[in-house]
Amino acid sequence: DAGITQSPRHKVTETGTPVTLRCHQTENHRYMYWYRQDPGHGLRLIHYSYGVKDTDKGEVSDGYSVSRSKTEDFLLTLESATSSQTSVYFCAIRGQGADTIYFGEGSWLTVV
Amino acid sequence: GQQVMQIPQYQHVQEGEDFTTYCNSSTTLSNIQWYKQRPGGHPVFLIQLVKSGEVKKQKRLTFQFGEAKKNSSLHITATQTTDVGTYFCAGAIQGAQKLVFGQGTRLTINP
Repeated sequence: DAGITQSPRHKVTETGTPVTLRCHQTENHRYMYWYRQDPGHGLRLIHYSYGVKDTDKGEVSDGYSVSRSKTEDFLLTLESATSSQTSVYFCAIRGQGADTIYFGEGSWLTVV
Repeated sequence: GQQVMQIPQYQHVQEGEDFTTYCNSSTTLSNIQWYKQRPGGHPVFLIQLVKSGEVKKQKRLTFQFGEAKKNSSLHITATQTTDVGTYFCAGAIQGAQKLVFGQGTRLTINP
C-alpha cells in the first residue's frame, strides 16, 4: 500500500450537520486528491491539492471545502451535509514526476 | 471540459469467455492508465500506456493505446472468477495535475 489512511472509514450523519473526512499519508507526496464514487458516475474529482495550502476545485466541488495545513494531511469538509452527499469517498496521492495515483481504502458516508 | 467515455458500463460473461472494455477521450492524452476495483475495495493501479499505438500485456490482460492517443482498450482472455470487479481507465493531459476517469466497466462472471 501507499501509506494512505482515511478516517473515519464509515459514518452515518444527519442532514445539516458538518462532517470532516481525513486523509493521512506517510510518504511525503505532493499531490493529494478527494474523489467520490457513485453508481453510474464512476470516480469524480471533488478537490485536489498540489502542496501545503495549495488547493483547487475538481468537477463536483459544490458543497465541499478542503484544507491542507501540512503535507501529510488533506481534510475534506461537508459544511452542511445533504442526502445527495451520501457516497463513498476516496483519497488518493500522487508523487511529483509521476502520473499514477494510489487510492486509500475509502470512507463510506451516509447522510440521513 | 475533458471527458473520458468508457463502454460498456456492465458486462456479464461466462467463465472462460473473453472480455473487452473501451475508453475514448475527447482530447489527446499524454498517457492513459487502467485501474481495477474489486467489490468493496478501492481502485488499484494496473498499468500505464504512454506511446502512440502501444500494446502491453499482463498475463491474460492486453492493453492498447490508440494511434491518435485518444482511445484505449483492455482485453481479458479466458476470464476467471478472480477477474470480477470494475475496470476504470483514466486519462492524463500534458501538464495537467489531475486524471480524468471513465465511468468504469463492471465485470461479473458466471462460474
